[in-house]
Amino acid sequence: RKEVEQDPGPFNVPEGATVAFNCTYSNSASQSFFWYRQDCRKEPKLLMSVYSSGNEDGRFTAQLNRASQYISLLIRDSKLSDSATYLCVVRMDSSYKLIFGSGTRLLVRP
Amino acid sequence: NAGVTQTPKFQVLKTGQSMTLQCAQDMNHEYMSWYRQDPGMGLRLIHYSVGAGITDQGEVPNGYNVSRSTTEDFPLRLLSAAPSQTSVYFCASRTAGGGSFYEQYFGPGTRLTVT
Repeated sequence: RKEVEQDPGPFNVPEGATVAFNCTYSNSASQSFFWYRQDCRKEPKLLMSVYSSGNEDGRFTAQLNRASQYISLLIRDSKLSDSATYLCVVRMDSSYKLIFGSGTRLLVRP
Repeated sequence: NAGVTQTPKFQVLKTGQSMTLQCAQDMNHEYMSWYRQDPGMGLRLIHYSVGAGITDQGEVPNGYNVSRSTTEDFPLRLLSAAPSQTSVYFCASRTAGGGSFYEQYFGPGTRLTVT
């Protein structure tokens, strides 16, 4: 079983739609959680960290469910520019290493 | 600040050839790492370094060597290229701090093809 699993998609949604991605992680010792965004043929960039109480950044909301070991990303009012691959990233306590999921591809159509 | 830079952007090698992928950062980050990205596999850690003179293996280290003689530079050496090493390689760096400082900054990537 992969340490971090994501639905690869693609999620194909119209502009203005709300879309949500989930990501599950296998190690209950995981301590830090992030969403990265990767545009086609570009490097990944941090979108947002995920805090225990959930957090929002504009149209983006991230949630953490430790009991079920998953994190989610909700995008409201999708824009064409949101089209990208979203990577779920997990770090275990006392470890330098970040574990990356294989990504969920989002396509926002006009 | 240039951030994280990588050279070359593209490379084609023949099986058995060796080469070095260059990575440099100007943010004085302690931590640097190399990943490879293959379709459906996500980013996999090859080697990493927590400071000058200190390196360690990641998830897929075989066939690769690294060294860290300075804080700024972290080259990745392919010893004898194989077609299985065809991939996109990303170098990344971050500070040693916690919390939001776990943000990793990535270089633009090197697209390597081994024939």
